[in-house]
Amino acid sequence: AQRVTQPEKLLSVFKGAPVELKCNYSYSGSPELFWYVQYSRQRLQLLLRHISRESIKGFTADLNKGETSFHLKKPFAQEEDSAMYYCALRSYGQNFVFGPGTRLSVLP
Amino acid sequence: DAGVIQSPRHEVTEMGQEVTLRCKPISGHDYLFWYRQTMMRGLELLIYFNNNVPIDDSGMPEDRFSAKMPNASFSTLKIQPSEPRDSAVYFCASSSRDRNTEAFFGQGTRLTVV
Repeated sequence: AQRVTQPEKLLSVFKGAPVELKCNYSYSGSPELFWYVQYSRQRLQLLLRHISRESIKGFTADLNKGETSFHLKKPFAQEEDSAMYYCALRSYGQNFVFGPGTRLSVLP
Repeated sequence: DAGVIQSPRHEVTEMGQEVTLRCKPISGHDYLFWYRQTMMRGLELLIYFNNNVPIDDSGMPEDRFSAKMPNASFSTLKIQPSEPRDSAVYFCASSSRDRNTEAFFGQGTRLTVV
């Protein structure tokens, strides 16, 4: 079965501290993985996709097939990073399977 | 393109009433998804369509929920009769079949059933 897990429901860090949001998946084959961000009362927006290997708003994510992980990282958190973050997998049937989400709170 | 458009943005209705949520996907997208978001259950896939055909409706909570996609540019999610536990934010999203293409989300409809 295709599944995405995010072990932390809530993650609090101080401004300027490094942050890592964990994501693990179960999937056979080459996965299509994404990170979405949702600011308060707004739509989900794409943050990163694994194939791009880019940095958006200072965030990066590396696919580790051996550990079936796709953790999201940022070296220095900012208060405006406070939001809900979802890791997602595109399944065989082309639907998107989302993890439960992690709420990131960046404290001043 | 204006993106995925949902209406209404907010809906308050009384228990027992029929509620219809609407979605216009991005032009050219083959897939349309309906999700429900609550604090308790997070983001749940209700149903999705490919080329206007329902592919998987196993996430639809019960028979009170139904969804249609009469053409490539319009979909509805209907709840009849509505109950307080249906209160949630309902998101519509669309995507193409191209590999590594994300789902684009609408602004959502915040439904409150009193």
